[in-house]
Amino acid sequence: KQEVTQIPAALSVPEGENLVLNCSFTDSAIYNLQWFRQDPGKGLTSLLLIQSSQREQTSGRLNASLDKSSGRSTLYIAASQPGDSATYLCAVRGSYIPTFGRGTSLIVHP
Amino acid sequence: EAGVTQFPSHSVIEKGQTVTLRCDPISGHDNLYWYRRVMGKEIKFLLHFVKESKQDESGMPNNRFLAERTGGTYSTLKVQPAELEDSGVYFCASSPLTDTQYFGPGTRLTVL
Repeated sequence: KQEVTQIPAALSVPEGENLVLNCSFTDSAIYNLQWFRQDPGKGLTSLLLIQSSQREQTSGRLNASLDKSSGRSTLYIAASQPGDSATYLCAVRGSYIPTFGRGTSLIVHP
Repeated sequence: EAGVTQFPSHSVIEKGQTVTLRCDPISGHDNLYWYRRVMGKEIKFLLHFVKESKQDESGMPNNRFLAERTGGTYSTLKVQPAELEDSGVYFCASSPLTDTQYFGPGTRLTVL
């Protein structure tokens, strides 16, 4: 059974810092890995999707890496801004059903 | 293009009552999924529709939960009778294929 762990559970940083959010999973036989953002009262917004054959994906200030053999993914946020404050979720898919982590709650203060 | 919508956004009911949640997927998306997040836990899969057929309902917690998708468009998730442990946020997602899923804003259910 796939288990996904996200560390840290919460993070509070000053604006401008570069951040690394971690996601680890127990079963390396995955189809893809996806990072989501959730704002309070809102749904999940897909940030980056990494297929199992890929090593990383980039979108603007976000970079996600995937090391399938070690069961790890990191989400790197460059030059953080207060608007980045949200909960970040990692979801791993071995089939069409994703397994989610509990998320990292991020606060970026001015 | 309209995203996935869910109604209501919040629902507060008493134990033993019935609640029906609705999800309208993105137009043209054959796949529709229901998920639930209980406080302090991770989001968990409940079930998957392909058009009007239940493809996988392995995540449904018990027979108090009934999901339907008549006509292959919107879906409803009924909880009858509701119990305290049913409280949480219920998410719906849709996808055209079985790849990227687009999530709705969720319905926050509180059972008192």
